[in-house]
Amino acid sequence: GENVEQHPSTLSVQEGDSAVIKCTYSDSASNYFPWYKQELGKRPQLIIDIRSNVGEKKDQRIAVTLNKTAKHFSLHITETQPEDSAVYFCAAHSGYALNFGKGTSLLVTP
Amino acid sequence: SQTIHQWPATLVQPVGSPLSLECTVEGTSNPNLYWYRQAAGRGLQLLFYSVGIGQISSEVPQNLSASRPQDRQFILSSKKLLLSDSGFYLCASRQGPNIQYFGAGTRLSVL
Repeated sequence: GENVEQHPSTLSVQEGDSAVIKCTYSDSASNYFPWYKQELGKRPQLIIDIRSNVGEKKDQRIAVTLNKTAKHFSLHITETQPEDSAVYFCAAHSGYALNFGKGTSLLVTP
Repeated sequence: SQTIHQWPATLVQPVGSPLSLECTVEGTSNPNLYWYRQAAGRGLQLLFYSVGIGQISSEVPQNLSASRPQDRQFILSSKKLLLSDSGFYLCASRQGPNIQYFGAGTRLSVL
């Protein structure tokens, strides 16, 4: 089955800096790659996604890149703000279900 | 857009007691439905998924079971809870091509 690896597990940045989270996947048939943000005690919320026919997608301060050949995709957050602090999960769709990475705990310090 | 209802929001149960968590979805038909568990500070573990009424696929063997008696209803059950069953249980529904949304979750503490 699909195996999704996510790095780093924790990330601390200063407000205004950029944050990058990287994921790799194993199943070359995976064709959909969403990113979720989970604040403490809340449900994961979809923040951005990318499909396999696209190399990059941007939504304001958030961007995602996909390298199908290398089977890796990344989340980029620019001009980070304290409210960006949360756990971020990447996922890859294979078969009927999403397979999630183990999450990255992002802390943005003022 | 769809709405996912989960209840209860929190639950405290003694070891050995039964469990029934319910998830219902509004605003869509014939969704794929999922149960995930999240231990404290951990990732999302897929427990079960269902592509239709009466169809259940189990991802992790354990003392939990799932049922889908209606198109938009997904139930997670246990006959006897273990301490290790504590966690945050999330129901999810797939809307459109691959897009998946989560319910608000049930925080279960087994004591």
